[in-house]
Amino acid sequence: RKEVEQDPGPFNVPEGATVAFNCTYSNSASQSFFWYRQDCRKEPKLLMSVYSSGNEDGRFTAQLNRASQYISLLIRDSKLSDSATYLCVVNQGNFNKFYFGSGTKLNVKP
Amino acid sequence: SAVISQKPSRDICQRGTSLTIQCQVDSQVTMMFWYRQQPGQSLTLIATANQGSEATYESGFVIDKFPISRPNLTFSTLTVSNMSPEDSSIYLCSVEPNTKRNEQFFGPGTRLTVL
Repeated sequence: RKEVEQDPGPFNVPEGATVAFNCTYSNSASQSFFWYRQDCRKEPKLLMSVYSSGNEDGRFTAQLNRASQYISLLIRDSKLSDSATYLCVVNQGNFNKFYFGSGTKLNVKP
Repeated sequence: SAVISQKPSRDICQRGTSLTIQCQVDSQVTMMFWYRQQPGQSLTLIATANQGSEATYESGFVIDKFPISRPNLTFSTLTVSNMSPEDSSIYLCSVEPNTKRNEQFFGPGTRLTVL
């Protein structure tokens, strides 16, 4: 079983739509959670950390459910520039190892 | 965040040869990592580059194939040895800044094609 699992998509949405991505992780001892964004042929870049209380950054909202071992990312009012692959990342903490999901591809259409 | 550069940005190599990739950071960092991202796949950790000691390799990766150097706190190299077409991939270094623990920042990557 993979450490981190994501729906690969693609999610094809019109501009202005709200879209949500989900991610599950297998190790209940995981301590830190992140969403990274990766544009085509570019390196991953940190989008936001995910806190137990949930957190919001502009149009982006991240949620963590430890009981279900589940992380989500909600994007409101999608822009063309949001088109990218979104990577769910989990840090198990003990050995500072980061596990990356395979990514969810988002295409925002005009 | 840290500013990270990698050289070369891309290369095309013949099988059986070796390529050394350099990673330079603009500030001293304790933790540096090397990842591989194969076409259409996510990132897989190769090893943690430890300053002053041998790198810590993940399952499936060995020092003879991927020797790593870490001579100081701002620089590391990864060598892909005796290359085969299966080594064609993007190789990325990343750092965990000392002032932003528990977050990773990535270099631009090295796109390697082995013929």
